[in-house]
Amino acid sequence: GQSLEQPSEVTAVEGAIVQINCTYQTSGFYGLSWYQQHDGGAPTFLSYNALDGLEETGRFSSFLSRSDSYGYLLLQELQMKDSASYFCAVMGAGNMLTFGGGTRLMVKP
Amino acid sequence: ETGVTQTPRHLVMGMTNKKSLKCEQHLGHNAMYWYKQSAKKPLELMFVYNFKEQTENNSVPSRFSPECPNSSHLFLHLHTLQPEDSALYLCASSQDGRGGYNEQFFGPGTRLTVL
Repeated sequence: GQSLEQPSEVTAVEGAIVQINCTYQTSGFYGLSWYQQHDGGAPTFLSYNALDGLEETGRFSSFLSRSDSYGYLLLQELQMKDSASYFCAVMGAGNMLTFGGGTRLMVKP
Repeated sequence: ETGVTQTPRHLVMGMTNKKSLKCEQHLGHNAMYWYKQSAKKPLELMFVYNFKEQTENNSVPSRFSPECPNSSHLFLHLHTLQPEDSALYLCASSQDGRGGYNEQFFGPGTRLTVL
């Protein structure tokens, strides 16, 4: 089976940088995804790492270390609209995702 | 707009009722998924369909019955549910779910309350 751990809540101020960590234990691993979900909204895809290293997409970056079973999502130049829940998810066989419990990010002025 | 729609958006039902949730994707995808999202719990994968064939049933009780008549539509039939089944039910779709990673696109969900 799969299990993922991420902090339940993070608070930061506008303009700051925040890192959301995710550790996982899996029986089959193809990659690590990150999804964003605003209150009342649908989860939306942010990034996917299949290989070790850092992937950058605008203000968001995602990192993976397969040897450490660890990844993180880095959000830079935080904006109020970034307040949402962020989920890491392990990709297993058959494109199946196992999600972590989510990290609720609150951005304050 | 995510290209994945779900109806109804909200549903209240008694434990003896039978109801169905509907999902439709307009993205030309071949894989569709049902997830359950409960408060303070991770999203749980329930069912996976690839090219209309069910490829995964994640130990879901038989009171939940999926149906996939074509690659664009997915249903979840509900029968004699329990109050603990109250949750947000999310549908998602992706390109072929068997050939490596494909981003999943989620619908807005159906908020289900079982009384």
